[in-house]
Amino acid sequence: EAQVTQNPRYLITVTGKKLTVTCSQNMNHEYMSWYRQDPGLGLRQIYYSMNVEVTDKGDVPEGYKVSRKEKRNFPLILESPSPNQTSLYFCASSSGVLKFFGPGTRLTVL
Amino acid sequence: KQEVTQIPAALSVPEGENLVLNCSFTDSAIYNLQWFRQDPGKGLTSLLLIQSSQREQTSGRLNASLDKSSGRSTLYIAASQPGDSATYLCAAQGGSQGNLIFGKGTKLSVKP
Repeated sequence: EAQVTQNPRYLITVTGKKLTVTCSQNMNHEYMSWYRQDPGLGLRQIYYSMNVEVTDKGDVPEGYKVSRKEKRNFPLILESPSPNQTSLYFCASSSGVLKFFGPGTRLTVL
Repeated sequence: KQEVTQIPAALSVPEGENLVLNCSFTDSAIYNLQWFRQDPGKGLTSLLLIQSSQREQTSGRLNASLDKSSGRSTLYIAASQPGDSATYLCAAQGGSQGNLIFGKGTKLSVKP
């Protein structure tokens, strides 16, 4: 089954404790991206990657890092999480037009 | 900078009604426009995608139209059902691999 998977689905952590949210797709898509969704602000892009070893900032990249060492994986790294990064995070992949989204990761930073 | 607006923010209708969800965008130079459905606690499911050269797309009881010149798209849902209750999001894409700019969504509730 074609899908985008994210782990963990839920995470509660404390300020400053480094964390990684993994994203993997099995559709051989070149394009992958991360979004965050916040009440009243909607979905906003954090980072995207056009292909392996090619990443670029989206609209709200501050406080986040990404890497794209393999085509199928695109982890989101929070080196020093802060409470304002409490949000619902979505990973997406695309072959060009249609975007497929993961199930989301709900992150709470205390 | 592209901005996408959805009206209304919430809508409650009785089962069986036909309804229209509205989406407007400020920059008509879009590559495509997508409609998504989001269920509580779940990810986004793509419903319909309209390329910039197209005027509408249909899937079952759903029909989406696109008028680039006026910066508008509508999602028409025929004979609504309680299972249609969800948040509907529209998103405009600026290029072939461009970022999706999302509206804030319309939360639809269909009462039995």
